[in-house]
Amino acid sequence: GAVVSQHPSWVICKSGTSVKIECRSLDFQATTMFWYRQFPKQSLMLMATSNEGSKATYEQGVEKDKFLINHASLTLSTLTVTSAHPEDSSFYICSAPADRNTDTQYFGPGTRLTVL
Amino acid sequence: EDQVTQSPEALRLQEGESSSLNCSYTVSGLRGLFWYRQDPGKGPEFLFTLYSAGEEKEKERLKATLTKKESFLHITAPKPEDSATYLCAVQARGGSNYKLTFGKGTLLTVNP
Repeated sequence: GAVVSQHPSWVICKSGTSVKIECRSLDFQATTMFWYRQFPKQSLMLMATSNEGSKATYEQGVEKDKFLINHASLTLSTLTVTSAHPEDSSFYICSAPADRNTDTQYFGPGTRLTVL
Repeated sequence: EDQVTQSPEALRLQEGESSSLNCSYTVSGLRGLFWYRQDPGKGPEFLFTLYSAGEEKEKERLKATLTKKESFLHITAPKPEDSATYLCAVQARGGSNYKLTFGKGTLLTVNP
C-alpha cells in the first residue's frame, strides 16, 4: 500500500506558541490531502481538505486562522497550529488518496500534540 | 447528514472465538464503505473498501460484507495480534471528493 509519513511524531509546546506538522506522501503524488483530529476514545473528525496549489477547505466549526494549511507540493502538506492552547492538545492525522481510480485513503502515523 | 454507528463499542474474545462487528450507516448515496484498523497511538491502517450491496472481501482472518444499510466485519478464529480498534467510514456520492465520515470504532481485545 501507499505510504504516508508525518513529522514530528509528538510535540510538546507552551501555550501561545505555534506548531507545524508535516505530512508527506512517500511513494505517490497527492493533489489532495486531508487533516483529521482525534480526541481520546473518539473517532476521527475531518478538519480540512488540503489542495495543492489552492486554498484549503475547512469543515464547519474549524477556525481557518488558527489551523493554517499549506499544500506546497504534490507530496507535502503542512498544518500549523497557531497560538496553541491546551484545548488544542490532540492527535492529528493526515491522509491522502493514492490512486485516482480508487477512493481509498492512506493515513499517516499521526502526531501527538500536547500544549502546556 | 451522513452518519455511521458501530457496535459494539468494545468486544472481548478468547483466542479462536469467532465474532462479527457491525457498522450501520445512513448516507445520501454510497460511494464507498471503508474498514480500517487502528492500533493505540497510530494512524488507521487500510483493510477493505466495499462499493455495492452483496460485495464481500477477505484478508486473512477478516471478511467484510455490505448490505444497503450496514456492513459486517467477521473475524474468524482471532488471535491476540488482532486486538485493535476497528473503524468503519463511508464516502458519499456527489460530495466533496474523498471525504470520509467515520464511526467511533469497536475496540477488540483478543485474550490468549
